[in-house]
Amino acid sequence: NAGVTQTPKFQVLKTGQSMTLQCAQDMNHNSMYWYRQDPGMGLRLIYYSASEGTTDKGEVPNGYNVSRLNKREFSLRLESAAPSQTSVYFCASSKSRDNEQFFGPGTRLTVL
Amino acid sequence: KQEVTQIPAALSVPEGENLVLNCSFTDSAIYNLQWFRQDPGKGLTSLLLIQSSQREQTSGRLNASLDKSSGRSTLYIAASQPGDSATYLCAVRDDYKLSFGAGTTVTVRA
Repeated sequence: NAGVTQTPKFQVLKTGQSMTLQCAQDMNHNSMYWYRQDPGMGLRLIYYSASEGTTDKGEVPNGYNVSRLNKREFSLRLESAAPSQTSVYFCASSKSRDNEQFFGPGTRLTVL
Repeated sequence: KQEVTQIPAALSVPEGENLVLNCSFTDSAIYNLQWFRQDPGKGLTSLLLIQSSQREQTSGRLNASLDKSSGRSTLYIAASQPGDSATYLCAVRDDYKLSFGAGTTVTVRA
């Protein structure tokens, strides 16, 4: 039982490049989330998926897209990376909105 | 917009002392409150979840209280150990999202 896994762990991009961050959970959870964590700003929700087949914008969605591939997997895509997207990205999942969220280990992204 | 504040920002205590971490939030219309622990360079580990209808939740040496009407929660850690050194985050859920505080960084001195 691995919980929430994220790939890659580290990534360096140049401005304008694209990439997809992968997230998977093996807890049969319905809801999944993407957050970013920045010094002085705390954790902020980018996108979430309340259940398979649905996605909704969070607090800071600009510059990102998401795909809920199936119940297990939720990916985050940066189409044209910008230095402002340098951050640590966390994926989380929960059984439902009312249950506790479990977090992955994070992806440390640097955009030059 | 929900604002979550954690005071103090940092705390250093000798081993064995009890820890008291505070969290306040501006909008009392929350569904639940969750406490997390984060070690440097790591993800968040869930410690306790308190539903809005509950007053407290306990797990081992940890006890969290919730006073929704006054917008406050307190995390108590009994008999602190050096392994408790970490950043502790509280987060409140209103509607679909969690709003996080900036955290309290705890150092327990051996």
